[in-house]
Amino acid sequence: AQSVSQHNHHVILSEAASLELGCNYSYGGTVNLFWYVQYPGQHLQLLLKYFSGDPLVKGIKGFEAEFIKSKFSFNLRKPSVQWSDTAEYFCAVMGSGSARQLTFGSGTQLTVLP
Amino acid sequence: KAGVTQTPRYLIKTRGQQVTLSCSPISGHRSVSWYQQTPGQGLQFLFEYFSETQRNKGNFPGRFSGRQFSNSRSEMNVSTLELGDSALYLCASSAKPSGGNTGELFFGEGSRLTVL
Repeated sequence: AQSVSQHNHHVILSEAASLELGCNYSYGGTVNLFWYVQYPGQHLQLLLKYFSGDPLVKGIKGFEAEFIKSKFSFNLRKPSVQWSDTAEYFCAVMGSGSARQLTFGSGTQLTVLP
Repeated sequence: KAGVTQTPRYLIKTRGQQVTLSCSPISGHRSVSWYQQTPGQGLQFLFEYFSETQRNKGNFPGRFSGRQFSNSRSEMNVSTLELGDSALYLCASSAKPSGGNTGELFFGEGSRLTVL
């Protein structure tokens, strides 16, 4: 079975601070990795994804994530956060196989202070 | 094009009752997945339907069921409601099963169920 662990439940930063949210997964085979974001009052939306190739992936709004296979990690980063980045961030993994499903981590609430 | 639409957005039920939630996927999407979101458990996979067939099911009791219609609209039903069923129920759609080659799911805003 696959699982995802997000280390930080709630992160509070000031504007312009750098961000790194941790994500570790557990799965024995090939995985696809995702970060989804849920802004206040809005629906979940895809931030970025990794399928194969370059382990450093870039997403929307200046976010990026690095897949480190040896560490089973897919941490999310942003060099300088803005107040509008306040949201809940979910890491997710999808394994291979015909009945694959998206498994989410418990989420990290990011609050950016102006 | 219109996004994923879920109805109702909010509802209140009492223990023992049943509830039916509806999801209309993005036009052309044939896969619909359901998730339960709670503060303690995060997002948990309920089931996925594609072309009216259940493809995958999460670890939920039989009180949770679903179906998909020929127009790809989906409903989920929870019978004999318990207090712990209070949650935000999210529906996600994609053109192909499990998001196909991209793996991307498109989520609705959810139906918030409160069980008293």
